[in-house]
Amino acid sequence: NAGVTQTPKFRILKIGQSMTLQCAQDMNHNYMYWYRQDPGMGLKLIYYSVGAGITDKGEVPNGYNVSRSTTEDFPLRLELAAPSQTSVYFCASSYSQGTGYLSGANVLTFGAGSRLTVL
Amino acid sequence: GENVEQHPSTLSVQEGDSAVIKCTYSDSASNYFPWYKQELGKRPQLIIDIRSNVGEKKDQRIAVTLNKTAKHFSLHITETQPEDSAVYFCAASRGTNAGKSTFGDGTTLTVKP
Repeated sequence: NAGVTQTPKFRILKIGQSMTLQCAQDMNHNYMYWYRQDPGMGLKLIYYSVGAGITDKGEVPNGYNVSRSTTEDFPLRLELAAPSQTSVYFCASSYSQGTGYLSGANVLTFGAGSRLTVL
Repeated sequence: GENVEQHPSTLSVQEGDSAVIKCTYSDSASNYFPWYKQELGKRPQLIIDIRSNVGEKKDQRIAVTLNKTAKHFSLHITETQPEDSAVYFCAASRGTNAGKSTFGDGTTLTVKP
């Protein structure tokens, strides 16, 4: 298993450009997430998905869009890039088995990260 | 929403000493508390987690304690080694969606040989 694969690893964008960060997992995880990590800070949740066709906003969704057409893929779209979107982006996935808080592994598996710079 | 505060922001210890990192959370309904280690330029990796039905969990040199009444939890690393040097993040969430955790801002641990 490759785990969680993110592309690209690095990208420089000009203000106003758009791009898509790709994320794929081969562990048959139902939950997938996108985070951003600014220097010296913890992870902030951008969007998440609990299954194909279902997405929801996290803590910092403005300026981003996602889709989840398959279990494996969860791309993050940046429209009209701004310098404030300069960050390291991490995709993650997990498997949730049930509704009780004691159930399921819920362990997050992270991708290697994508460093985005907007100039 | 949930608010997680983590202290200290930096911690320097001598090899072989113990290190303790503390986190407080605000949402009394939070019931899952993972700790992640992130080496420079690498992805975060789960090192230990605890659920609210237990007060302590240990895995070799690493332990986590949880005080639900005071709403704080701590990471304890004993017999530190240089390879323990990294940024450590705590997080808190409710329910089964661990990815919706609120993360602390991290503690940079340096273990001096």
